[in-house]
Amino acid sequence: KAGVTQTPRYLIKTRGQQVTLSCSPISGHRSVSWYQQTPGQGLQFLFEYFSETQRNKGNFPGRFSGRQFSNSRSEMNVSTLELGDSALYLCASSLAGSPAARYFGPGTRLLVL
Amino acid sequence: DAKTTQPNSMESNEEEPVHLPCNHSTISGTDYIHWYRQLPSQGPEYVIHGLTSNVNNRMASLAIAEDRKSSTLILHRATLRDAAVYYCIPSGGSNYKLTFGKGTLLTVNP
Repeated sequence: KAGVTQTPRYLIKTRGQQVTLSCSPISGHRSVSWYQQTPGQGLQFLFEYFSETQRNKGNFPGRFSGRQFSNSRSEMNVSTLELGDSALYLCASSLAGSPAARYFGPGTRLLVL
Repeated sequence: DAKTTQPNSMESNEEEPVHLPCNHSTISGTDYIHWYRQLPSQGPEYVIHGLTSNVNNRMASLAIAEDRKSSTLILHRATLRDAAVYYCIPSGGSNYKLTFGKGTLLTVNP
């Protein structure tokens, strides 16, 4: 079974631009969650979707948004990029919510200049 | 979110058992204890999770204290591939997020 895939893998943007990241979960998984990883803050939860509904949201500004489609694929969008948004963005999928295991993708590395 | 305490780092020799401790004294009754690990330059990888009873899978064993305020992840025979940061994460109930702390950096010596 194919794992979680994320596209693109690498991205360079400039301040003020917006970016959309994509995540395809493992086949059959209906829950998708997003995390941001930076050297200073570590891994931080962004949001989680299940059956197209956002179930939980982390402490990030409204510039960070996401959605999930009927095929469980998910996208996250960051508008008005700031330098501090440079990070590794990780997507994880699971069969359902807690306590199911989350399976993480390789991440999208975003650099904001 | 339950607060966790893990050693910053631990060291082991290859083919020896490793016991990674975690204190989670504020864990709620509905929280499962999850363990994930992150190898260098990779996304986190699920290791194991449990609620009250000890759990085993092909990767590791999880020993949970009777009062659930602590747990230990056991790698029975460490390999070089087990060198990673290990995260202990209480999560469950209506809280679907995983809150990663700083974890324990495990070094495995050949």
